[in-house]
Amino acid sequence: AQSVTQLGSHVSVSEGALVLLRCNYSSSVPPYLFWYVQYPNQGLQLLLKYTTGATLVKGINGFEAEFKKSETSFHLTKPSAHMSDAAEYFCAVRGGSARQLTFGSGTQLTVLP
Amino acid sequence: EPEVTQTPSHQVTQMGQEVILRCVPISNHLYFYWYRQILGQKVEFLVSFYNNEISEKSEIFDDQFSVERPDGSNFTLKIRSTKLEDSAMYFCASSGTSGRSTGELFFGEGSRLTVL
Repeated sequence: AQSVTQLGSHVSVSEGALVLLRCNYSSSVPPYLFWYVQYPNQGLQLLLKYTTGATLVKGINGFEAEFKKSETSFHLTKPSAHMSDAAEYFCAVRGGSARQLTFGSGTQLTVLP
Repeated sequence: EPEVTQTPSHQVTQMGQEVILRCVPISNHLYFYWYRQILGQKVEFLVSFYNNEISEKSEIFDDQFSVERPDGSNFTLKIRSTKLEDSAMYFCASSGTSGRSTGELFFGEGSRLTVL
C-alpha cells in the first residue's frame, strides 16, 4: 500500500521568495511520484512527475522536485514565487500494479505581495 | 490538446435521489477513474475501471455507487440514493494508452454535487 504525507497544510511566502512544499511517501515498491496543482474552482493539473531516471524533475511554471529515495521524499520547489502560484498543491504516489494515485492532504500556498 | 470533460459542473439534489455524473475521457485512454474531494479535504480514490469492469475500488465505493461505460466515449458514476455526506467535488480521470504509459492521470474539471 502507498501513502503520502504533506507537511504543512498552509504555506505562505512573499512574492519572489523560494517556494518549498514538502512531500514524503511510503511505498513498498519503487514509486511513481506526482505533483498536481488545483486553482480555485478548477480541476487537478499535473505539474511534474517522477517515473524513472533523473531524480531531479522539472515541471511547468518553473517548478521542480527531487526524488530522494533515502529520505522517501519528493519536495516541490520554485526559486521565486509569483502571485499566480497561489493554489493548492497535491503530492501523489502510484506504486506496483495499482494504477490509481494516492494523494496527500494538500498544501495551500499563499503568495504575499 | 485532448482533455477529460465532465458534466454537469454543478448539481444540487435532494437526499435520497439518484444522481448520475458523466465524463468523457481522453479518447485513446484505457483506464478510467473516479475520485472525490469533500470540501477542504484530500482527494480520495473511489474506483478504477478497465476493459469494461471495475479493477480497483476503495471502501468508500459501496453498494450505493456504480460505474458504467455505456458507449465508446462516456464513463458514468451513479449514486443510487444520495446522502448528505455525498456532497463533494467528483473528479473523473483517465490514463494509459495501448502503448507505454507514464502513469499520470488526466483529470477533468470536476462535478460539484450538493445534497440537501
